Amino acid sequence: KQEVTQIPAALSVPEGENLVLNCSFTDSAIYNLQWFRQDPGKGLTSLLLIQSSQREQTSGRLNASLDKSSGRSTLYIAASQPGDSATYLCAVRESNFGNEKLTFGTGTRLTIIP
Amino acid sequence: GAVVSQHPSWVICKSGTSVKIECRSLDFQATTMFWYRQFPKQSLMLMATSNEGSKATYEQGVEKDKFLINHASLTLSTLTVTSAHPEDSSFYICSARGLRLGGDSSYNSPLHFGNGTRLTVT
Repeated sequence: KQEVTQIPAALSVPEGENLVLNCSFTDSAIYNLQWFRQDPGKGLTSLLLIQSSQREQTSGRLNASLDKSSGRSTLYIAASQPGDSATYLCAVRESNFGNEKLTFGTGTRLTIIP
Repeated sequence: GAVVSQHPSWVICKSGTSVKIECRSLDFQATTMFWYRQFPKQSLMLMATSNEGSKATYEQGVEKDKFLINHASLTLSTLTVTSAHPEDSSFYICSARGLRLGGDSSYNSPLHFGNGTRLTVT
């Protein structure tokens, strides 16, 4: 059974700093990994999607890496801003064709201090 | 970008009543929609997968007779919580994967999520 862990559960950093969020998963046979942002009481916004054959994806100030063999992914946020405050979730999709189930981590609640 | 609309955003109902939640894909055709539940301070748990025109596939432990899913068109899926009880109070979120034009399978497309529905059963 796939298990996804995100550490730390909460993180506070001053505005302007770079930061890294971590995601680990127990079964390396994944199809892809996706990072999401969730604002309080809201749904999820997809940030980056990394296919299993890829090592990283970048979008603006965000960079996500994937090391499938070790079961790890990181989300790097550069020059953090107060608007980045949210809960960040990673989710992995299993490898079986037609099985689109996503297994989510419990998230990291990020607070950027102005 | 792709937009998924979920309605209502919040609902309060009395124990024993039924509640219907709608999930619409506004600018793409969603062949597959997913329903998730999120309890406070917990992550999202997949409840069921619905494919347009066919029966939904429920995850282990989810009662299909209690959580009725209908995916009658390529732009609308509904989740009905029947005979709701206080323990059904949760945040329900739908997501959709769209058809990609040009022949590629949609399996590589990212999921797009609705804004969720906060259900409170009193």
